This record gives sequence, C-alpha cells and structure tokens, in this order.
Amino acid sequence: DAKTTQPPSMDCAEGRAANLPCNHSTISGNEYVYWYRQIHSQGPQYIIHGLKNNETNEMASLIITEDRKSSTLILPHATLRDTAVYYCILVGKSSGDKLTFGTGTRLAVRP
Amino acid sequence: SAVISQKPSRDICQRGTSLTIQCQVDSQVTMMFWYRQQPGQSLTLIATANQGSEATYESGFVIDKFPISRPNLTFSTLTVSNMSPEDSSIYLCSVPHPRGGGEETQYFGPGTRLLVL
Repeated sequence: DAKTTQPPSMDCAEGRAANLPCNHSTISGNEYVYWYRQIHSQGPQYIIHGLKNNETNEMASLIITEDRKSSTLILPHATLRDTAVYYCILVGKSSGDKLTFGTGTRLAVRP
Repeated sequence: SAVISQKPSRDICQRGTSLTIQCQVDSQVTMMFWYRQQPGQSLTLIATANQGSEATYESGFVIDKFPISRPNLTFSTLTVSNMSPEDSSIYLCSVPHPRGGGEETQYFGPGTRLLVL
C-alpha cells in the first residue's frame, strides 16, 4: 500500500506557481521522498527527490517539513505542458528500487 | 539517463490469446521492473526481473499468467497469457539508473497499450 496521501486534483493558472502537497506521516528514517509525474499517455518521469533538506533542480523545488511528515512540490512557473498526474513516493532500503504508486494528484494548468 | 523502448507500442487482441511485450534498455542494468496501469488507475508493480534468475512476482500476480524472460542485462519480455478484457491496460517497464552521487532513479519506458476484446 502507498504510504503517502495526496489531494486527487488541483489546478493553477499558467505562469503561476503550483504547490502540490504530500503527507507521509509514517515515513521512516531511511526513506527518501521522490516525485514523479505522468503526462497523458506517457511513462512516468522523475522530477526530484530529497531526504530531509529542501532540494531544487531545473524542474522543481521540494520542500520537506522538519519532522519529515509532509512535503510540497513546487513548480515555480507552471506551463500548460505541466498538466499531468503527480506522484509522491517513499523509497527506502526496505523497498529496494521498487516504487509503490498512490493515486497521485491530477494537476490541471489553466491558460 | 537511460533510454528505454517498448514493443509493441499498442495492440488489440482477442480474448484467450497471448501477447509478448519487449523492453529494451540502452545500457546494462541489473534489475528491470514491469508495471501495469489499468484504465484510470495508478501503476501497480507486477514483478521484478533479474538477469540470471527467476522473476519475483508481487502479490496478486503469478508466473503462469505473466511469464517474464530476462536473457541479458539490456532486455526483458513480459507475456500476458490467456488474455481477458480485464487485462486491458498499459504495461510499462522501468529500470533504476544512476544519477550521480551514488543515487538512483527509475526510468520508465513509453508503455504498451493493450486492448483485449
């Protein structure tokens, strides 16, 4: 079973920041928070991951709370091409490289 | 990054028949994963395919229904046997690949869209 909880859907205006929350209250010490997205009719795409520090790359920023029980993926300037289902996944040594997908958040970016 | 291709990209099959899906990676990888995504649903892991050993299946999936081959470090096949309409799904393979700094991420193939009539 997925160990994360995400809102089923969100929307934001093009050019604005999209903030996608994820709750993972039962996260264990060695589990990373990974974010993937799936654009319609494509395979999932890696976005970003982190353990406890905030992370930023060319695609997004990841903010992890100090207690690590929740995180937020930030797309700073959403475009129409960011419309996708976003998955927050915990990955640790116990899971090996296996990914357990929850239901994700369907983000719709409005023009 | 790892480049992954799958064949066929889509197919329409009759119930009772079988379909073999191929997954090709542009680099050698130890593990390959096969997922299923039923219409409107999230991805579910079917099995892990390691080269040189039998695949490890997740709960609810059995080798007779989804036999897997892993003849080398760049290739794997998944067969969907004795198909029924409930097998209509997108089937995806994925591989863990180094990103640098000793960390890995999963790269996914484009998927095979299967419709069983």
